[in-house]
Amino acid sequence: GESVGLHLPTLSVQEGDNSIINCAYSNSASDYFIWYKQESGKGPQFIIDIRSNMDKRQGQRVTVLLNKTVKHLSLQIAATQPGDSAVYFCAENYGDSSYKLIFGSGTRLLVRP
Amino acid sequence: DAGVIQSPRHEVTEMGQEVTLRCKPISGHNSLFWYRQTMMRGLELLIYFNNNVPIDDSGMPEDRFSAKMPNASFSTLKIQPSEPRDSAVYFCASSLEGPPVDQPQHFGDGTRLSIL
Repeated sequence: GESVGLHLPTLSVQEGDNSIINCAYSNSASDYFIWYKQESGKGPQFIIDIRSNMDKRQGQRVTVLLNKTVKHLSLQIAATQPGDSAVYFCAENYGDSSYKLIFGSGTRLLVRP
Repeated sequence: DAGVIQSPRHEVTEMGQEVTLRCKPISGHNSLFWYRQTMMRGLELLIYFNNNVPIDDSGMPEDRFSAKMPNASFSTLKIQPSEPRDSAVYFCASSLEGPPVDQPQHFGDGTRLSIL
């Protein structure tokens, strides 16, 4: 995938450790949030979503936490694997335009063997 | 299940030429999106269709860009004439919009466009 901007934040973790990727969103009226994973040469792949009436949602090896007070979203990946290496984007939608996703700048996750 | 299918995967052409990108959304999805991704600007929404009708084209850069969705299973994004600054990766995404709730957008693997 593409690096976004000149200075893409990078998180380097040891295989088997847990990863936490953070995202600050911009609009307090946003009511739907999504995490995407983008591998090199591929499109963004849906990982997990959460609505504003929840503060936590769990999937397979992933957990999303939403803190509306400080407009913060995080993605936790348990037992990180080499296949998790990718760029991760958070996206928010504004409540009055449910289709319009605003994407964050992305975080590159590197998993060390 | 087949995901969003885009073609071609790569396109290299000279400036001034017409470029046509194609997208087949996921069967049953009623919304389709075209995005452009560049290093400097990230992912930008170009146009959004719902039930084959263009709803929001405010992201289309200029009149050189046009998009159509003649039926629920096919969409095109056309650039005529193309310019070097159009070089980017173009993604198509589709989703099923509610009620009761909207579903996430699913992306194709993109078309990497290079205009020489």
